Amino acid sequence: GQNIDQPTEMTATEGAIVQINCTYQTSGFNGLFWYQQHAGEAPTFLSYNVLDGLEEKGRFSSFLSRSKGYSYLLLKELQMKDSASYLCAVRDSNYQLIWGAGTKLIIKP
Amino acid sequence: IAGITQAPTSQILAAGRRMTLRCTQDMRHNAMYWYRQDLGLGLRLIHYSNTAGTTGKGEVPDGYSVSRANTDDFPLTLASAVPSQTSVYFCASSDGHSNQPQHFGDGTRLSIL
Repeated sequence: GQNIDQPTEMTATEGAIVQINCTYQTSGFNGLFWYQQHAGEAPTFLSYNVLDGLEEKGRFSSFLSRSKGYSYLLLKELQMKDSASYLCAVRDSNYQLIWGAGTKLIIKP
Repeated sequence: IAGITQAPTSQILAAGRRMTLRCTQDMRHNAMYWYRQDLGLGLRLIHYSNTAGTTGKGEVPDGYSVSRANTDDFPLTLASAVPSQTSVYFCASSDGHSNQPQHFGDGTRLSIL
């Protein structure tokens, strides 16, 4: 079966750095997406990786290793507004997105 | 403002009733999707449409139907609602290219009693 694993919850301090990991086992791979979802709101797109390596976008970076079935989202200079759930999703061989359950990130002052 | 509009925002429904959730996008995206999101689970695909006039079944299609008469609209119908269909429903769209993300509506919170 297809599976996306992420930690359920993480806590970090304002101003610090946090890394959210995602491991996947899917039938085929056509890219990996990270989304942010604030409580009670819709998911919003953060990043896309299809080749191995690091993609940097401001305070957020995303890394992919296809051989290890592994990705991480790195958030720097954490702000209180970064408190949200972070969703990892993999596009499979049918070009459908398979979603992880999300990681709830709690930022403390 | 361009985007996806879902209606209603929330609804309480008696079991056995028929309900249609509406979704409209004005981005001229080819592909549209319906997901449900339940606590502790990832988004699960109910139905999708790669282009107007075509639809396909996702991971959890039972009890739901969709239609795609035109590019903009993708309604989801629960023919006879059951309590297990209590969930938050998200509609999404994308232009269909593999590197393009899906864009989500604000969701419909549905409670079946």
